[in-house]
Amino acid sequence: GENVEQHPSTLSVQEGDSAVIKCTYSDSASNYFPWYKQELGKRPQLIIDIRSNVGEKKDQRIAVTLNKTAKHFSLHITETQPEDSAVYFCASLLYTGRRALTFGSGTRLQVQP
Amino acid sequence: GAVVSQHPSRVICKSGTSVKIECRSLDFQATTMFWYRQFPKKSLMLMATSNEGSKATYEQGVEKDKFLINHASLTLSTLTVTSAHPEDSSFYICSAPGTSGSSYEQYFGPGTRLTVT
Repeated sequence: GENVEQHPSTLSVQEGDSAVIKCTYSDSASNYFPWYKQELGKRPQLIIDIRSNVGEKKDQRIAVTLNKTAKHFSLHITETQPEDSAVYFCASLLYTGRRALTFGSGTRLQVQP
Repeated sequence: GAVVSQHPSRVICKSGTSVKIECRSLDFQATTMFWYRQFPKKSLMLMATSNEGSKATYEQGVEKDKFLINHASLTLSTLTVTSAHPEDSSFYICSAPGTSGSSYEQYFGPGTRLTVT
């Protein structure tokens, strides 16, 4: 089955700096790569996603890049703010409508004011 | 977007008792729903895939007789933790894939915090 590895496990940055989180996946057939932000005791919140036919996607301060050849994708957050502090999960999926996401191990991001 | 609810949000039960958690798709039909378990400071781990009108598919290492799943309608899946023990204490989250052909997004319930004493 699919395996997703995520690094780093913790990341501390100063407010205003950029943060980058990286993931690799094992199944070359996977075609959907979402990123989630999860606050303590809450459900995962989708912040950005990308499909395998696209190499990069940006939404304001957040961007995701995908390298299908290397089977890795990254989350980039620019101009970080204290409210960006949370746990971030990457995930991958071969979309069929009946398959579940495979999640990375998570990254705890701390933005220091 | 699509909305998934879960009930209860928190439950405390005694060891040996059973607990039922409900997952509902409020504004769309879900022939498939997924149940995840999340231990503190850990990732979401898939427990089982719930299929409307047929048996659930369990991940390796998940006991089907302990975690009973029933998907009786297109909007409701239930997870029953039978003979709960303290090690079953966890955050249980369900999700369902959207029905829009243009979106691959999956919609998560708010989760259920189970504490077994």
